Amino acid sequence: EVQLVESGGGLVQPGGSLRLSCAASGFSFSNSWMHWVRQAPGKGLEWVANIKPEGSENAYVDSVKGRFTVSRDNAKNSLYLQMNSLRAEDSAMYYCARDRASGASDIWGQGTMVTVSS
Amino acid sequence: QSVLTQPPSVSGAPGQRVTISCTGSSSNIGAGFDVHWYQQLPGTAPKLLIYANSNRPSGVPDRFSGSKSGTSASLAITGLHGEDEADYYCQSLDSSLNVYVFGTGTMVTVL
Repeated sequence: EVQLVESGGGLVQPGGSLRLSCAASGFSFSNSWMHWVRQAPGKGLEWVANIKPEGSENAYVDSVKGRFTVSRDNAKNSLYLQMNSLRAEDSAMYYCARDRASGASDIWGQGTMVTVSS
Repeated sequence: QSVLTQPPSVSGAPGQRVTISCTGSSSNIGAGFDVHWYQQLPGTAPKLLIYANSNRPSGVPDRFSGSKSGTSASLAITGLHGEDEADYYCQSLDSSLNVYVFGTGTMVTVL
């Protein structure tokens, strides 16, 4: 079965850190660009970051640059998002997604919720 | 603040046709970058509806169609069904921001 399963979300204090994971199965993960997309409660979608299949190239939205790091382990079919210096405005559902071409994401996980609050 | 603007809501009766616009600029849609459309049902992850402006992934009904012209794109739903009630988002690449951007989102209501 083709699927993505995120984990690692939770409640964290401002300034804290979390590491999200995304386990892929049923498709060629090592040949796929991957994205992280987030959605704050009641708000729209926001693209966060992406990473090349080899892991050698990535990009971030300005609001997370220097705080978030996207990485992958193709041997484990896994994608990660290390989030440091978390802020209240980072509170959102975080989705990982597979890029089928030119940014179109055709496979999505169910999401993992991150809440940043004291 | 998204650089792709959509109407907050559109509505129609079952069987009717509705369209959702996605207005961008010369640094995204107008630059020739592909536009993709997603449907998000309440409490679920987004689903790819249209990719590369006008292409439907396997399994998406042909009631959904996409088009692009100049700095804008549109999603049309013909023969509206009750299960089409959802939020819809456009997406493209922005060369000045150097990131992918989503539209502001449109809620479709079936009357």
